[in-house]
Amino acid sequence: AQKITQTQPGMFVQEKEAVTLDCTYDTSDQSYGLFWYKQPSSGEMIFLIYQGSYDEQNATEGRYSLNFQKARKSANLVISASQLGDSAMYFCAMRDSRFSDSNYQLIWGAGTKLIIKP
Amino acid sequence: GAVVSQHPSWVICKSGTSVKIECRSLDFQATTMFWYRQFPKQSLMLMATSNEGSKATYEQGVEKDKFLINHASLTLSTLTVTSAHPEDSSFYICSATGLVSSYEQYFGPGTRLTVT
Repeated sequence: AQKITQTQPGMFVQEKEAVTLDCTYDTSDQSYGLFWYKQPSSGEMIFLIYQGSYDEQNATEGRYSLNFQKARKSANLVISASQLGDSAMYFCAMRDSRFSDSNYQLIWGAGTKLIIKP
Repeated sequence: GAVVSQHPSWVICKSGTSVKIECRSLDFQATTMFWYRQFPKQSLMLMATSNEGSKATYEQGVEKDKFLINHASLTLSTLTVTSAHPEDSSFYICSATGLVSSYEQYFGPGTRLTVT
């Protein structure tokens, strides 16, 4: 069965420092997709970054990058130069292979609460 | 682009009444919509998946007669919590997929339901 594990329930990081949020996954599929979402206290889910299993390069989106280590089945999110506005819950998710690409579901990790200290 | 709205953003209702939550894709056609429930400090729990024009597929343990989902058009899905009880109080989030992106789900801002 597919599974997402986020082992850090909470993290405190000093402003302007880089932060790495851990995510490991378990799947027997060759083709899969990995996502990171941010959920601030307002509740909205904000898409950050996506990594396909066949993508040879690590995904990057501005200050966000995904450290994809396929052999270790890890997909850690790296936020460079953290800002106070980065304080939020962060969820790692994986596309559920039971469904076709057109209407896939997501399998979610438990989340990591990140707090940026001024 | 790819905006999903939810209405209302929060609602308080009395026990025994029904509440309807709307989820709309504003600028794209949503072939599939998902309804999630989230308890405080927990992850998202998928309740059901709905495709336009067909019956929703509910996850195990979700009462389909209590949580009625209708996906009548490619831009609108509704979740009706029938005969609400305090234990139904939660944060409900919808998301949608369509032809906008091959892999991304677009989330609504969520609806906070409080049943008194």
